[in-house]
Formats: sequence, C-alpha cells, structure tokens
Amino acid sequence: DAGVTQSPTHLIKTRGQQVTLRCSPKSGHDTVSWYQQALGQGPQFIFQYYEEEERQRGNFPDRFSGHQFPNYSSELNVNALLLGDSALYLCASSLGGDGQETQYFGPGTRLLVL
Amino acid sequence: GQQLNQSPQSMFIQEGEDVSMNCTSSSIFNTWLWYKQDPGEGPVLLIALYKAGELTSNGRLTAQFGITRKDSFLNISASIPSDVGIYFCAGPKNYGGSQGNLIFGKGTKLSVKP
Repeated sequence: DAGVTQSPTHLIKTRGQQVTLRCSPKSGHDTVSWYQQALGQGPQFIFQYYEEEERQRGNFPDRFSGHQFPNYSSELNVNALLLGDSALYLCASSLGGDGQETQYFGPGTRLLVL
Repeated sequence: GQQLNQSPQSMFIQEGEDVSMNCTSSSIFNTWLWYKQDPGEGPVLLIALYKAGELTSNGRLTAQFGITRKDSFLNISASIPSDVGIYFCAGPKNYGGSQGNLIFGKGTKLSVKP
C-alpha cells in the first residue's frame, strides 16, 4: 500500500520563474492538502482540494494555485517565484473531508529559489 | 488568529531519560495532534486527542488534551536514540463548522546529549 508520494524531491529555480509540484495521495484517499514549511518553522497550510475543487485556502497569495485530477492526485503551481518561496512543500492526503480524518504527509519537495 | 506555542524550543536527551514538552494556545482547539518529523521526511502522526481531559498512550508516548482545550502535553518515557527529531503539535482550524487545515506549532527539537 503506497503512501503519499511527491515529485520532484528537490528543485532549484530562479526568481520570476514558475514551478509545478506533484502529489499522489495514499491509496483510497480523496482529499489533498498542501503545506509550506520554511526552515525552522512548522508547516503552514496553503490550500485543500476535494472533489477536484479548492475547498479551503490559507493566507497565501494568488501566485499559489493548484489542481486536483479525477484520480485524486494534485499539483501545486507557484508563479513569479520569490526568494521567500524557498521552502519544503508538503502534501498531505486524507479520506472524506469532515475534518476529523487523519492527514498523512508525503516526504515533501524541497524548493530553492535563487 | 489561532496560534500554537510550543516549549521548549529544543532539548537534549540522554538515553533512558523521560522527556516532556507542551503546547499552548490562546484559542480553543477541538482536536490536538502530535507529529514527529525526521530529517528529509514529512511529519508522521504520533497521537490524536479528541476530548478535553483525554489521556492517550502510544507505546512510550503519552499525550493529554488539556481540560481548558487550550493546551496539550506530550511525554516520552525512557527515551532512545531514535526519538531524536522535531515534534510538532497541531490542531485543525475551524472553517464554518468544518474542520480542515491544520495549524502547527514551531516544534520542539529533540537532540542527543553529547
């Protein structure tokens, strides 16, 4: 039973570029949440996707967008990258979406913006 | 807004010692979660607490949901080297009655005493 997988594991971009990160949820899960974790901080919620729609969103600008596909996998897109976007991006999957479900995290994608 | 304050920020352990850390908030949480994150990995759920006053164990780990619903603590008994890592408390942010995204503390970093 595969857990949450993310790709790529590491990525280096320059300011102004765009990036797409990918996530495959744990088998049987239908909800995907994305978090940004800066060095030395706890993860911060970006948004959550359920039934292919953005259901909740944290305090992140419109440069951060996402998508969920019919197979429940998800992408996170960041446009016009800033140096401050350098972080570990975590994907978490869960089942259902009433809020009490356990979220399982992937290993993350480490993004460095130069 | 809802924030979680963890203490201590870091601590050193010697094998066999008991460890205690806590998490407080100025807001009420209906669920408290404790995660551990190893280097290069995503957070892994250790214990979930759903009722005020609840005391739950998972092996050598014990966590309690504070009676005021504004705090929680995690104890690790007889620590071993693999307990090293960063421990996060987290709770779901309420959105119109549905709980979804998680708010994380900044973490308590557990290291081995030299």
